[in-house]
Amino acid sequence: DAKTTQPNSMESNEEEPVHLPCNHSTISGTDYIHWYRQLPSQGPEYVIHGLTSNVNNRMASLAIAEDRKSSTLILHRATLRDAAVYYCILRDRRMIGAGSYQLTFGKGTKLSVIP
Amino acid sequence: SQTIHQWPATLVQPVGSPLSLECTVEGTSNPNLYWYRQAAGRGLQLLFYSVGIGQISSEVPQNLSASRPQDRQFILSSKKLLLSDSGFYLCAWSVIGTSLNEQFFGPGTRLTVL
Repeated sequence: DAKTTQPNSMESNEEEPVHLPCNHSTISGTDYIHWYRQLPSQGPEYVIHGLTSNVNNRMASLAIAEDRKSSTLILHRATLRDAAVYYCILRDRRMIGAGSYQLTFGKGTKLSVIP
Repeated sequence: SQTIHQWPATLVQPVGSPLSLECTVEGTSNPNLYWYRQAAGRGLQLLFYSVGIGQISSEVPQNLSASRPQDRQFILSSKKLLLSDSGFYLCAWSVIGTSLNEQFFGPGTRLTVL
């Protein structure tokens, strides 16, 4: 299964942009890049996903390198509520059921936001 | 809209006691269902997944078992808990048959085995 590499932790000041990097050098052409985040004592929540083009939604932006071997999750203005562990995940190649795939969560990046 | 429920929220159990954690999903039919465990300071480990009633796949050999008696009900059990079973247990669901596989997680159960 394709693996991802993320820094263990990062800090950001409140109201400033945050760029969370992820390396995935063994990504295959059909692997989607997913980002989830986990707030303290809660289950993970979906943030964003992409394949080749940059993506934007109400929570964040995802910038994907042209060779797809890395990506960056961008939080445009960090708030205290954004303090969480952010997971960069590639869809597993093993299929489960009818066309669905597993997601393998690593240790992620713990983001601290400083007031 | 879809919602996912887990109970209990917290649980303290002695070593050797049985365990039953329940997860139910509302507002969707025939979902994929998952059980994850998160030990302190570690990432999520997939324990079981299910693509239909009575269909359970185990990812790791362990002291736990899972069952899916109804379409939207997923139960995690153990006959005798070990200290190493302590952790944060998360249930999740996803839409079956989609390769994007966005997963929706429940609030979790924090289990402490003493």
